[in-house]
Amino acid sequence: DAKTTQPNSMESNEEEPVHLPCNHSTISGTDYIHWYRQLPSQGPEYVIHGLTSNVNNRMASLAIAEDRKSSTLILHRATLRDAAVYYCIPIYNNNDMRFGAGTRLTVKP
Amino acid sequence: EAGVAQSPRYKIIEKRQSVAFWCNPISGHATLYWYQQILGQGPKLLIQFQNNGVVDDSQLPKDRFSAERLKGVDSTLKIQPAKLEDSAVYLCASSLNSGSYNEQFFGPGTRLTVL
Repeated sequence: DAKTTQPNSMESNEEEPVHLPCNHSTISGTDYIHWYRQLPSQGPEYVIHGLTSNVNNRMASLAIAEDRKSSTLILHRATLRDAAVYYCIPIYNNNDMRFGAGTRLTVKP
Repeated sequence: EAGVAQSPRYKIIEKRQSVAFWCNPISGHATLYWYQQILGQGPKLLIQFQNNGVVDDSQLPKDRFSAERLKGVDSTLKIQPAKLEDSAVYLCASSLNSGSYNEQFFGPGTRLTVL
């Protein structure tokens, strides 16, 4: 049975890097890994996605383990506006996105 | 570029009443999704449309929920009759196409309270 695990919550200091982990041990070779985040009182927003290689964009970096059983979302310099719930969403068997409970990130000034 | 529009933003009804939500996706997006997000949980997919056809409605409680996407653009989600446990935020999202590599764009949601 497909299972994704993330810590319930994490804390970071402003302007420091944040590493948000995700375990997805049942992922297959063709399953994309997406990350979304949801700021308070808003709909989720796309952050980044990848398949095998590490990925970078203006918002974050995604590091994918060589065996693909885990990935880490990296925010290089957290700001107060990055406080949100971060969802790691492996898309198993090219099916629809299944959101878990995510990781609630608190950023302290 | 305009984002996904939803209305109303808030709705309060009594149980057993009916309610409808409206969504206007990003222009040109073929795929439209409705999600239900209960407080403290992640969004749960209710139904997915590709143009005006239903791709996946396996998690839609069809005895009380219905959705349509006439002409493959706007969509409405209806609940009839509402139950207390339907209190949630209803999110609409759209993407250029289906497929797991496509980014989904979400609207602000409609917060439904059933009393």
